[in-house]
Amino acid sequence: RKEVEQDPGPFNVPEGATVAFNCTYSNSASQSFFWYRQDCRKEPKLLMSVYSSGNEDGRFTAQLNRASQYISLLIRDSKLSDSATYLCVVNGKGGYNKLIFGAGTRLAVHP
Amino acid sequence: GAVVSQHPSWVICKSGTSVKIECRSLDFQATTMFWYRQFPKQSLMLMATSNEGSKATYEQGVEKDKFLINHASLTLSTLTVTSAHPEDSSFYICSARASSGGASETQYFGPGTRLLVL
Repeated sequence: RKEVEQDPGPFNVPEGATVAFNCTYSNSASQSFFWYRQDCRKEPKLLMSVYSSGNEDGRFTAQLNRASQYISLLIRDSKLSDSATYLCVVNGKGGYNKLIFGAGTRLAVHP
Repeated sequence: GAVVSQHPSWVICKSGTSVKIECRSLDFQATTMFWYRQFPKQSLMLMATSNEGSKATYEQGVEKDKFLINHASLTLSTLTVTSAHPEDSSFYICSARASSGGASETQYFGPGTRLLVL
């Protein structure tokens, strides 16, 4: 089983739509959770950290369910510029708090 | 935000040659740097973790004699792919963290180096 699993998509949505991505992780000891965005042929960029109480940043809302080891990202009012691959990231086992990346969920927003 | 650079941004080389990739933190001191590899349509895979002044810790399955990592200063880490072969062609990305601190410490990613071995 992969340490971080995501639906690869693609999710094809019209502008203005609301879209949700899910992610599950296997290491119950994980303490840090993030969503990164990666554009084609570019490095990943931090979108937002995910906190236990859930958190929102503009059109983006992240939720964490520790009991189910499940993380979600909700994007409201999708823009064309939101088209990218969204990576679910969890800190892994061992020292140095290394990050474990999911394979990503691809989002395509069309006019 | 913090800036991390990588050089070169892309490289094409013949099979059997060695390639060195540099990762620099431009506006902060990075006690820990990470090297990742990403194949097309796959996730970033951590190759190794290095702390300044000490030996790198390699992930399972990554050959330390093939992927040489040097973290000689707080702003520079290098990855050398020795005797590169076509299967080493990939997108190599480094990241840097400002301190050895807590679980929420942000990693800043370099722009990546695309390696093509012919």
